[in-house]
Amino acid sequence: GAGVSQTPSNKVTEKGKYVELRCDPISGHTALYWYRQSLGQGPEFLIYFQGTGAADDSGLPNDRFFAVRPEGSVSTLKIQRTERGDSAVYLCASSLDGAGGPTDTQYFGPGTRLTVL
Amino acid sequence: AQSVTQLGSHVSVSEGALVLLRCNYSSSVPPYLFWYVQYPNQGLQLLLKYTSAATLVKGINDFEAEFKKSETSFHLTKPSAHMSDAAEYFCAVSDRGSGNTPLVFGKGTRLSVIA
Repeated sequence: GAGVSQTPSNKVTEKGKYVELRCDPISGHTALYWYRQSLGQGPEFLIYFQGTGAADDSGLPNDRFFAVRPEGSVSTLKIQRTERGDSAVYLCASSLDGAGGPTDTQYFGPGTRLTVL
Repeated sequence: AQSVTQLGSHVSVSEGALVLLRCNYSSSVPPYLFWYVQYPNQGLQLLLKYTSAATLVKGINDFEAEFKKSETSFHLTKPSAHMSDAAEYFCAVSDRGSGNTPLVFGKGTRLSVIA
């Protein structure tokens, strides 16, 4: 596909349940980012992958959150024992190489809206 | 640590009027700066970015922004607002070339355009 895709677009779950959110980056992009956007706020960084490895996971709020990218392409964000405060839009972005140079732009997917009841 | 402050959570302009959305940044090193736009129920779309090549940056849809180091600002402007410009706008910063590439976003400014 031409852009970053995320599935599902909406996810409603009950408190305490486990959820998985999927991100398909732009083909050839080695860097992948997850952000969380709460209502009325800007996106907040969660975790950044360079290839298969997590280069920076300092934004993960606690150990209930985990993300993987086993083959260096698709990534899955996993949330255990969901809480109502986890309700937000989860955004994924990818960039060509993550080197931070002038051409290394992050392109965002449409997001997954997670609602925890 | 970097931070971004967007002045005004909501800006309302008349169609055809000047659009000015304000952004001030804090960074310990010369930053890269970005403006993204978010339409309802959509992801973020890059409007423009500053990477030190020129202080006046032109983006899509006639938007532009000027990097002013002395004021630590990167305000977004458009000469004439269209109804289709109504959206949420986010300013963001990242460290230049430090390898620390995740973006730090402001809280956003909602732009309303009145007919």
